[in-house]
Amino acid sequence: AQSVTQLDSQVPVFEEAPVELRCNYSSSVSVYLFWYVQYPNQGLQLLLKYLSGSTLVKGINGFEAEFNKSQTSFHLRKPSVHISDTAEYFCAVSESGGGADGLTFGKGTHLIIQP
Amino acid sequence: DGGITQSPKYLFRKEGQNVTLSCEQNLNHDAMYWYRQDPGQGLRLIYYSQIVNDFQKGDIAEGYSVSREKKESFPLTVTSAQKNPTAFYLCASTSQLAANTGELFFGEGSRLTVL
Repeated sequence: AQSVTQLDSQVPVFEEAPVELRCNYSSSVSVYLFWYVQYPNQGLQLLLKYLSGSTLVKGINGFEAEFNKSQTSFHLRKPSVHISDTAEYFCAVSESGGGADGLTFGKGTHLIIQP
Repeated sequence: DGGITQSPKYLFRKEGQNVTLSCEQNLNHDAMYWYRQDPGQGLRLIYYSQIVNDFQKGDIAEGYSVSREKKESFPLTVTSAQKNPTAFYLCASTSQLAANTGELFFGEGSRLTVL
């Protein structure tokens, strides 16, 4: 079975500074990886996903993530954050060929943008 | 517009009462899912259904029940047997194509509070 670890429960960052949200996964097989964003009292919205190919994946709102198989990581980055990026961010994984039973989520990282 | 509609958005119930959360989708998706979200716990899978008239238990199914009589609808009943039902509940769905990767599309959520 797969698992996901988001190492930071909260990350405070000043506006216009860069940010990295860390995600590590554990799986014995090939995986698909996802980052979702959740604004207060709303559902989850897909930011980006890695399925195959280039290990650098670009998503919406200027976010990108890099898949590192040797380190089993999929860290999310943004070069300059805005106050509107304040939200909860979830990393998720599914095993190749076994996606029909849903995703396994990390516990989330709350990104707090300070003016 | 196509999407996933959850209702009600906020719900209060007394201890000992059953309550049903509605989830309807007009995306023609085959698979539907229910997740529970608690602060600092991420999302945990309650039940999922890959086809009409069939569903499977997720990681935390105890105290919950579901039905899938129509492709568009996947209601969740929180029974009095659920010991700690206060939480944010998220419904999700996926197409047959996306199900191979595990990618999910989410509703806006329902917040249940037990008084």
